[in-house]
Amino acid sequence: SQQGEEDPQALSIQEGENATMNCSYKTSINNLQWYRQNSGRGLVHLILIRSNEREKHSGRLRVTLDTSKKSSSLLITASRAADTASYFCATDALGFQKLVFGTGTRLLVSP
Amino acid sequence: DAGVIQSPRHEVTEMGQEVTLRCKPISGHNSLFWYRQTMMRGLELLIYFNNNVPIDDSGMPEDRFSAKMPNASFSTLKIQPSEPRDSAVYFCASRGEPPEQYFGPGTRLTVT
Repeated sequence: SQQGEEDPQALSIQEGENATMNCSYKTSINNLQWYRQNSGRGLVHLILIRSNEREKHSGRLRVTLDTSKKSSSLLITASRAADTASYFCATDALGFQKLVFGTGTRLLVSP
Repeated sequence: DAGVIQSPRHEVTEMGQEVTLRCKPISGHNSLFWYRQTMMRGLELLIYFNNNVPIDDSGMPEDRFSAKMPNASFSTLKIQPSEPRDSAVYFCASRGEPPEQYFGPGTRLTVT
């Protein structure tokens, strides 16, 4: 399976703390994307990092990419209760048009 | 733009019945994807289209599943006959340029 792996599977933190989620994948990629899914809703795109980039920021989000290790991390700083959701990484593999989604990390941010 | 539109939002049907799920992608997007999400298997890509042409249907679980995209603004996913193990949330997503996907709200299918 090409499916990526994410860890941890679940993460529980307090508001104001930082949350870090990791993603590993198996194939060479064009880009890697992170998505968020609130319970009972569709996935929402958060950020995209291309294979020639090593770090990218968007608001309270920071994404890193290490293509030599085939891994990425998503950092959410100063978390809020509203950040409670599942977070998925997805890889856009070379030669393909489709995304391969990871297994997801369930984040719970307590007030 | 209203985003990706899916209908129905909820579907409850009995085993053996035909189920048709519908999707309207975002105008101007040239790729459309159908996914299935369950607790056990996570998010699975079933099929995707590019410019209305099916490109990869390797994720379609069996011949009971079929998908069509007769034009750029409409796609259907049909299950005939439906079985209880088909119960899941089915998402449609579309993509233009840049390559991020936009997901619909999903159809929650329950087959009894």
